[in-house]
Amino acid sequence: DGGITQSPKYLFRKEGQNVTLSCEQNLNHDAMYWYRQDPGQGLRLIYYSQIVNDFQKGDIAEGYSVSREKKESFPLTVTSAQKNPTAFYLCASSTELPQVSYQPQHFGDGTRLSIL
Amino acid sequence: GEDVEQSLFLSVREGDSSVINCTYTDSSSTYLYWYKQEPGAGLQLLTYIFSNMDMKQDQRLTVLLNKKDKHLSLRIADTQTGDSAIYFCAERAGGYNKLIFGAGTRLAVHP
Repeated sequence: DGGITQSPKYLFRKEGQNVTLSCEQNLNHDAMYWYRQDPGQGLRLIYYSQIVNDFQKGDIAEGYSVSREKKESFPLTVTSAQKNPTAFYLCASSTELPQVSYQPQHFGDGTRLSIL
Repeated sequence: GEDVEQSLFLSVREGDSSVINCTYTDSSSTYLYWYKQEPGAGLQLLTYIFSNMDMKQDQRLTVLLNKKDKHLSLRIADTQTGDSAIYFCAERAGGYNKLIFGAGTRLAVHP
């Protein structure tokens, strides 16, 4: 079955530590996205990538970094510079094919990050 | 600027219809989406509507779009307990596939 796999489901970070969240998709999608979800708020875009080896900052990129070395993978690193990292992180992907005009974003099941 | 607003909570009786409302500000939006999120899970696409449509029906779901008022609604007929979840409205804006999400409406279905 095609889909998006995020791991781990739960992650704990110590003060001053960097942690990396994994996102893998086998949908053959070109575009991938990282969102942050806080209680009572909508999703906010952290980073996105429309093609391998290229990515762009979203609305709240400070304290985060990404890489896109393979089409299937878009890992997110939460650095120690992110002072309030406790949140639910969602990865998504979408096709860029013009014949799929509505190009929905498909989501993984998320990673919940907490501070120790 | 871009903004999407939704009421935060809706409670309905099982078997009744639910109507979740959303307003958006970007008149250049091309597609509008409804996503469902169950506890501890990601978002599941329920339905979408293209901006030149007024209505779209998909089984128990009916989407109404009023472009003049920038108002979108999702009606769920014969609401069941399995429909209890958070529902997000999102608009697609910008040159790439950027989605702007509302804060989500928590739907509670009671007997």
